[in-house]
Amino acid sequence: KAGVTQTPRYLIKTRGQQVTLSCSPISGHRSVSWYQQTPGQGLQFLFEYFSETQRNKGNFPGRFSGRQFSNSRSEMNVSTLELGDSALYLCASSLSAGQGTRELFFGEGSRLTVL
Amino acid sequence: QKEVEQNSGPLSVPEGAIASLNCTYSDRGSQSFFWYRQYSGKSPELIMFIYSNGDKEDGRFTAQLNKASQYVSLLIRDSQPSDSATYLCAVNEEYGNKLVFGAGTILRVKS
Repeated sequence: KAGVTQTPRYLIKTRGQQVTLSCSPISGHRSVSWYQQTPGQGLQFLFEYFSETQRNKGNFPGRFSGRQFSNSRSEMNVSTLELGDSALYLCASSLSAGQGTRELFFGEGSRLTVL
Repeated sequence: QKEVEQNSGPLSVPEGAIASLNCTYSDRGSQSFFWYRQYSGKSPELIMFIYSNGDKEDGRFTAQLNKASQYVSLLIRDSQPSDSATYLCAVNEEYGNKLVFGAGTILRVKS
């Protein structure tokens, strides 16, 4: 069973540019969440999508956005990149997004460097 | 603001010993608790989850939850050098898949 696939794995951008990251969840999983990991702030929740709808959003500026497609694949976009956006961006998939225990399975991440 | 606290470590234990990792959380409404292991340069890997008070065992790993005291712990028995990693405690909200992570505890198992 294939895991969570994230592309690209590594990318370098300059300040002011924008970036789009892609995530394909585990087959059959309908919930996709995005997290940002930095040495200083650790793992922080960005947003969650389920059935093409954003269910939850973390405390990040509007430059961070995302969407989910009908096949559950998800993309996140960061516009007007800042140096502080350099991070590992992790996508996690889960079967559902309702109440109860839900296991998240993480992809290998997209490492973004902003110069 | 909901917080999850972990001792950053590093926690050093000899091979074969029991490693004890602890985590406290601030939100009494938290329902589910997770332990993830993250090797350097890799993504977090789910080890265990627990949602009921008491102990839950899976192989060499035991998760313990005490909701009254708002702490969750992870015991690793017969620690191996391959267990050396950062262990992340995570707590989820009542609804949805938003996890609040602790900063992680670095575990070093010395052979």
